[in-house]
Amino acid sequence: GEDVEQSLFLSVREGDSSVINCTYTDSSSTYLYWYKQEPGAGLQLLTYIFSNMDMKQDQRLTVLLNKKDKHLSLRIADTQTGDSAIYFCAETPGTALIFGKGTTLSVSS
Amino acid sequence: NAGVTQTPKFQVLKTGQSMTLQCAQDMNHNSMYWYRQDPGMGLRLIYYSASEGTTDKGEVPNGYNVSRLNKREFSLRLESAAPSQTSVYFCASSLRLPTNEAFFGQGTRLTVV
Repeated sequence: GEDVEQSLFLSVREGDSSVINCTYTDSSSTYLYWYKQEPGAGLQLLTYIFSNMDMKQDQRLTVLLNKKDKHLSLRIADTQTGDSAIYFCAETPGTALIFGKGTTLSVSS
Repeated sequence: NAGVTQTPKFQVLKTGQSMTLQCAQDMNHNSMYWYRQDPGMGLRLIYYSASEGTTDKGEVPNGYNVSRLNKREFSLRLESAAPSQTSVYFCASSLRLPTNEAFFGQGTRLTVV
């Protein structure tokens, strides 16, 4: 079945870059997503990448996709305390989103 | 700009009680979803409705039923609540996955004692 794996925790200092990694299993996923969840809130779409792309950049965010290894990463440049949240990787093997367990990013000043 | 609205926000149930979690979206989306979020488990799909009139089981459907009442509303029912159903429940909607973004409600925090 589908299984999306992520490391559970990442701690960085303000101003550093953060890299959150994800591996997915379904090679038929046409889109791969990154969602962000702030405390006490629902999930919000952060960015996504189409499966025929290797990289996508959106301001401080860079998404890298290695389809051969089914590996996805999210890089946040110049990480700020406001970036502290849980980040979820998600694949779309059909008509539903399948999420990883989430990576808690802690940013210290 | 309501988006996805879930009610109630908090609920405490006794074991064996029943309740229905309500979800409504005002974005004319075709697809709606129910997830549960547990510590260390991420979000797991309970049921989804790809379009009005259809529902399908997700990863963890046992103990739950759903109704796609119309295009706007998708409810989740617990017939006989169990402590293992203590969780935060999220409803989401999308115009159509995988090509369109999914929007999430603020969640319902359910405790079963």
